[in-house]
Amino acid sequence: DVKVTQSSRYLVKRTGEKVFLECVQDMDHENMFWYRQDPGLGLRLIYFSYDVKMKEKGDIPEGYSVSREKKERFSLILESASTNQTSMYLCASSFSLGGAETQYFGPGTRLLVL
Amino acid sequence: GNSVTQMEGPVTLSEEAFLTINCTYTATGYPSLFWYVQYPGEGLQLLLKATKADDKGSNKGFEATYRKETTSFHLEKGSVQVSDSAVYFCALSDISGGSYIPTFGRGTSLIVHP
Repeated sequence: DVKVTQSSRYLVKRTGEKVFLECVQDMDHENMFWYRQDPGLGLRLIYFSYDVKMKEKGDIPEGYSVSREKKERFSLILESASTNQTSMYLCASSFSLGGAETQYFGPGTRLLVL
Repeated sequence: GNSVTQMEGPVTLSEEAFLTINCTYTATGYPSLFWYVQYPGEGLQLLLKATKADDKGSNKGFEATYRKETTSFHLEKGSVQVSDSAVYFCALSDISGGSYIPTFGRGTSLIVHP
């Protein structure tokens, strides 16, 4: 089975802190994604990557950056955390199948910024 | 741009009732369509998908048919169970700028009572 793991299930940080969220997948997927999930807004794409060292902005990249130094690992960085970044963060990965690819999700990290 | 619209929840049903969750989409290309399910405390997982017009995806008693003429992909189940209580997300994958970008609806919460 495909496994996508995220470094923390729950995280509490202070405003202004630099926050790292880590995601690892074990199926050699080319594509990796970071979303945030908020009530009433569904999933919104922050960044995605289709290859090592490659990254593309999603719908809401402001305040975030990403890093993909190895194929299996995709990190989301909050350079200076703010209270409006309190959310559930979901990582996902997929093969490239011309659009028909299934996304495999991690369990999520619930981040609270105080 | 691409978008997915789902009926708002929560949808509350008694066990063994018939379920329909409506989903319509807007896409510039010829997308693949998906339904994902999120059980409490977990990430999303694929429920079913369809990659071309008139395809029917099915899994665990759930079905959805890709209707290009009405740009719809409604989710149905003939007899729901308490264990089906979850949040359901309709999604599409369409090419944009050379990459396949996923777009999710806002999710529909289903509550099934015994």
